[in-house]
Amino acid sequence: TQLLEQSPQFLSIQEGENLTVYCNSSSVFSSLQWYRQEPGEGPVLLVTVVTGGEVKKLKRLTFQFGDARKDSSLHITAAQPGDTGLYLCAGTPWGRGSARQLTFGSGTQLTVLP
Amino acid sequence: NAGVTQTPKFRILKIGQSMTLQCTQDMNHNYMYWYRQDPGMGLKLIYYSVGAGITDKGEVPNGYNVSRSTTEDFPLRLELAAPSQTSVYFCASSYSTAGSYEQYFGPGTRLTVT
Repeated sequence: TQLLEQSPQFLSIQEGENLTVYCNSSSVFSSLQWYRQEPGEGPVLLVTVVTGGEVKKLKRLTFQFGDARKDSSLHITAAQPGDTGLYLCAGTPWGRGSARQLTFGSGTQLTVLP
Repeated sequence: NAGVTQTPKFRILKIGQSMTLQCTQDMNHNYMYWYRQDPGMGLKLIYYSVGAGITDKGEVPNGYNVSRSTTEDFPLRLELAAPSQTSVYFCASSYSTAGSYEQYFGPGTRLTVT
């Protein structure tokens, strides 16, 4: 089983602060995704990274895929209360991309206080 | 265009009862998936399908069965429900074309087995 470990598990910050969430594994992934989930709803995709070392920016969110394709990070600048939610990383293990099976991390519950 | 729909939204079962969780997608996706999400955890893959008539086991298939008679529908069957199957169940679907990675999730079914 390819594990994806996320840290921290919980994060509570004030509006305007910056934060970074980490997703690490000992296994190689062909692609890695970040999803955001709100209570009572299914996860919604934020970004997909597919190239080692890739950096993608989505407004105040910056995503990075590690050079060795084993880790990823999500950085949020000037967090807002609307960023509150469960952030999940998910990867397609190398060599198992035909069915796009995803391995999910356990998630980071982010709370941004006004 | 409704996306991925799941029914029911909530269900309480007694130990030993059976039920079917329904999942339908209207995006003509070939790939479909069933996940379960336990409190404070990420999603674990139960079963997946790469097309009508083709299904395969995921990480935690025991106690569940699936079928895929059409592209649109992917029901999940629980036989002899057990308390360990108390969870939130998510159905998802995705395109099968190269470069398409996003999985689209339904709103989930919250199941309690007592």
